[in-house]
Amino acid sequence: AQTVTQSQPEMSVQEAETVTLSCTYDTSESDYYLFWYKQPPSRQMILVIRQEAYKQQNATENRFSVNFQKAAKSFSLKISDSQLGDAAMYFCAYRSAVQGAQKLVFGQGTRLTINP
Amino acid sequence: NAGVMQNPRHLVRRRGQEARLRCSPMKGHSHVYWYRQLPEEGLKFMVYLQKENIIDESGMPKERFSAEFPKEGPSILRIQQVVRGDSAAYFCASSPFRSGAGTGNQPQHFGDGTRLSIL
Repeated sequence: AQTVTQSQPEMSVQEAETVTLSCTYDTSESDYYLFWYKQPPSRQMILVIRQEAYKQQNATENRFSVNFQKAAKSFSLKISDSQLGDAAMYFCAYRSAVQGAQKLVFGQGTRLTINP
Repeated sequence: NAGVMQNPRHLVRRRGQEARLRCSPMKGHSHVYWYRQLPEEGLKFMVYLQKENIIDESGMPKERFSAEFPKEGPSILRIQQVVRGDSAAYFCASSPFRSGAGTGNQPQHFGDGTRLSIL
């Protein structure tokens, strides 16, 4: 079974600075998808960014980018120019590429605080 | 374009009662997933359904829990004879159907969740 580990329960960063959230995963599969979701205090689950394992290029969405290291099974999220609205829980998630295996496997989450 | 709709937003039940949680997927989505989130934890997969079919229920407790996604109407997660340990936030997500390679990256869109409290 696949597992996802987020080793940083809490992180904080000064507004406008850059922060990196760590995520590692364990799988024997070669093809899969990785996601970062954001959960603000409102409890919504918002997709931040996604990465296909077969793509070597790291995904980027505006101020959010990932560092995908397939051999190391690492998938970190970098947030540049942090804003107060980035404060939330961040969850890393894994999804198999096997047809029918659609469930997301989540990490424990990292609570990000933005200091003004 | 309405997103995933879950109701109720909050549900309070006494021990031994039944809880029914509803989820209407996004328009055009035929796949529904249920997840449970305990306080200060990540989401845990419970069940994956398509219209009238349960595809994967590997995360669902064997007793007291059931789920359905009928041809018409919302998906229902039912918890019978609730206990204190059932207190959690229950999230529903949906995704569209796509056949063929590369379908797994279709993101799941989440509802706002139902917070279930057991007295």
